[in-house]
This record gives sequence, C-alpha cells and structure tokens, in this order.
Amino acid sequence: EVHLLESGGGLVQPGGSLRLSCAASGFTFTNFAVSWVRQAPGKGLEWVSSISASGANSYYADSVKGRFTISRDNSKNTLYLQMISLRAEDTAVYYCAKTSFSAVTGTFDYWGQGALVTVSS
Amino acid sequence: DIHMTQSPSSLSPSVGDRVTITCRAGQSITSHLNWYQQKPGKAPKLLIYAASSLQSWVPSRFSGSGSGTDFTLTISSLQPEDSATYYCQQSDSIPYTFGQGTKLEIK
Repeated sequence: EVHLLESGGGLVQPGGSLRLSCAASGFTFTNFAVSWVRQAPGKGLEWVSSISASGANSYYADSVKGRFTISRDNSKNTLYLQMISLRAEDTAVYYCAKTSFSAVTGTFDYWGQGALVTVSS
Repeated sequence: DIHMTQSPSSLSPSVGDRVTITCRAGQSITSHLNWYQQKPGKAPKLLIYAASSLQSWVPSRFSGSGSGTDFTLTISSLQPEDSATYYCQQSDSIPYTFGQGTKLEIK
C-alpha cells in the first residue's frame, strides 16, 4: 500500500525558514516523480513544485521560485521541500503527492495527509 | 498559465440525483484533465485522469468526458458518501493549475 507521510510543519515567523520532509513507502520511490501541492486554509489547491525520479529535473511555481527548493534522497525514500524567506501567504497545508511516471507529470495518484505550515509573527 | 474555471461553485442535490460539474480550460489541453475528490480534513484523492479514465477505487456511477477546453464530471446517481469538494486540474503544462473547486453538499 502506498504511503506518504509529511513532517516538519509548524509555526514560523515571516522571513523564516522551514524544511518539510515526506517519507514514502509501499512503492519503489526511485521510479517515480513526486511533487508538493499546497492548500491555504479554506482555499483551493495550488501546485508548488515537482522533481523527477532521478532528481535531475525540478520545476517550481512562480510564487515560490527562488525561495523554495525541492530535493529527494532516494536512498532514504524521502522527499524534501526547503522553504526560506517565508511569507504570510505561504501559510497552507503542504501535501506531497506521487505521480505514475519517472518524468515529471501533473497527475497525482497518491497524496500524503499533509503538513501545516503557519507563517505568522 | 492555463486558467481553469469550474461551475457551479456549490450545489445541494439529493440522493439519487444526477449531478454534472463542468470545467473549462483557458486554452486547449487536449485530454490532460484530472478530477480530484476531497473530503473535509482529508487529502485529495485522484478520481479521474486523462479526462475519462477512472481510478481503480472509483465507483462506476462516476464518469468524465470532454477534450480541448470543455470537460464534465458526472455522478449518475448521487450517494451520501459523494459529499465532498471536487477539483479539476490540468496536467498539460507547468504550472499545473486547479479549478477553484465545486462543493457538493447532499440535502
């Protein structure tokens, strides 16, 4: 059974940093691209970033480009999202999501339960 | 960026009703359209991919259709467990974008 478990969320001040992790199990992590999608409180879904299976290719939404870095450690079956220069508008539940291909695609077939990031002073 | 517009934003049908949700893309996305179901406090779940292909867990009362810019999600006979918010999403090009959601509350 595919399982994705996010961790690392919490309260951070504007301008601060945070790193999210997503531990994957139940599938061969090294074979699939993975992504981060976020949802602000009471709002809709927003794609944040994606990384290919090998880690060679990564992509970002304009709203986070230059501030967020996606990475993965295939030896640990773990996806990361390093976030710096955080803003109030980054407050959201952050989901990691798996795709069905090694290359980055936009179809997210499994999702984690989410990690809440709150940016506030 | 490809803008996705869903309608309606909310609806309150009854059990057994036939429900249709529409999604329009700002430009052609061929069949690169997915539908997700999200229940309160839960993560979204992929319902339909490539406009009309059902995920294995999805009951046959759900169906998807469309291509180009206009798509529909249909529930043929609504059940109580279908109460959720439904999102369309284009997977044609980065940035991947979602519709604003349709909240389905069953009377």
